[in-house]
Amino acid sequence: DQQVKQNSPSLSVQEGRISILNCDYTNSMFDYFLWYKKYPAEGPTFLISISSIKDKNEDGRFTVFLNKSAKHLSLHIVPSQPGDSAVYFCAASSLSGGNNRLAFGKGNQVVVIP
Amino acid sequence: NAGVTQTPKFQVLKTGQSMTLQCAQDMNHNSMYWYRQDPGMGLRLIYYSASEGTTDKGEVPNGYNVSRLNKREFSLRLESAAPSQTSVYFCASSSGASRGPGGKSYEQYFGPGTRLTVT
Repeated sequence: DQQVKQNSPSLSVQEGRISILNCDYTNSMFDYFLWYKKYPAEGPTFLISISSIKDKNEDGRFTVFLNKSAKHLSLHIVPSQPGDSAVYFCAASSLSGGNNRLAFGKGNQVVVIP
Repeated sequence: NAGVTQTPKFQVLKTGQSMTLQCAQDMNHNSMYWYRQDPGMGLRLIYYSASEGTTDKGEVPNGYNVSRLNKREFSLRLESAAPSQTSVYFCASSSGASRGPGGKSYEQYFGPGTRLTVT
């Protein structure tokens, strides 16, 4: 049973507009969440993270929002740029687990149209 | 720093052949991981090593073995390759430092991947 779910596998957005990616999780023990970005033929790279003690974390054009009661997080990219075209993975972990295991979603393909 | 390196980049095997995928990190990280990525399936954990000298199964360990050779190196072995093991394999590492909210110590750093085809 998948613990981290990313629906809407692909998203197309005009350059300069906002991209919003959504992620839902089922395991209430998850308390740390990450977003990774992946280009073709490369490994995933860390983008941004958020701990469950916060509901928002911002890093430049990237903002992650966490709604613990809904077990939902989202990634906002503003403004979107052509270089943002990639697959984005949501991941979750339980800090109390002690082994830093991450559970990944299936990913969202983002295409930014110039 | 090279970060996480993986060899080989590409490999084609025949069913029943064996091979070892190599992974090394130069970040002095405690924890290392092996994932596979298949179309529409995201990243699935095969095995991990929380610290030198320990290994544990992940979600999809069947058909694989691992060795944490030392703190830097973590290898993945396919003893008898099957077509179902055709995939892209990623190695990752993390510092596994002591707990703290929002700390970057929990992020995992990934290698460039090995594309394996089993015919």
